[in-house]
Amino acid sequence: AQTVTQSQPEMSVQEAETVTLSCTYDTSESDYYLFWYKQPPSRQMILVIRQEAYKQQNATENRFSVNFQKAAKSFSLKISDSQLGDAAMYFCAYKLNSGGGADGLTFGKGTHLIIQP
Amino acid sequence: GAVVSQHPSRVICKSGTSVKIECRSLDFQATTMFWYRQFPKQSLMLMATSNEGSKATYEQGVEKDKFLINHASLTLSTLTVTSAHPEDSSFYICSARDPGGAGDEQFFGPGTRLTVL
Repeated sequence: AQTVTQSQPEMSVQEAETVTLSCTYDTSESDYYLFWYKQPPSRQMILVIRQEAYKQQNATENRFSVNFQKAAKSFSLKISDSQLGDAAMYFCAYKLNSGGGADGLTFGKGTHLIIQP
Repeated sequence: GAVVSQHPSRVICKSGTSVKIECRSLDFQATTMFWYRQFPKQSLMLMATSNEGSKATYEQGVEKDKFLINHASLTLSTLTVTSAHPEDSSFYICSARDPGGAGDEQFFGPGTRLTVL
């Protein structure tokens, strides 16, 4: 069974600085997706960024980028120019790509990101 | 992006009663929906995969007779917590897969907070 590990329960960063959130996972599969989701106090899950395992190029979305190391099974999230609105819980998630799309997400325990003004 | 709604947003019930939670995809047809549970300050745990027109697939340890799932149409899945007890109190979140979307993204509902007295 796959597992997702986030070793940082809480991270703090100064506004406008850069922060990196860590995530490692364990799977015996080769075709899968990895995601970072943001959960603000409203509890609404918001997709931040996705990575397809067969793509070597790291995904980027504006201020958000990932460092995907497939051999090391590592998938970290870098947030540049941190803003107050980035404060939230961040969850790393894994999804097997079995082709039918009926695979649920396996989440890590989350990292609480605090932005210091 | 695709929109998923949940109803109700919060519900309080007495121990022993049953509670139904609805999950709707508003602007796309979802052949597959997923139900997650999130305890306070914890991660999301996949409970079951809801497939339109067929039986749901439950994760190990989830009681299918307690958590009844019905996916009667391409836009609606329901989760019924039968004979609810205080330990069932949790935040229940559904997600739906848009087959026409990119990257196999799942779109999340806003969640339902269940409190069993």
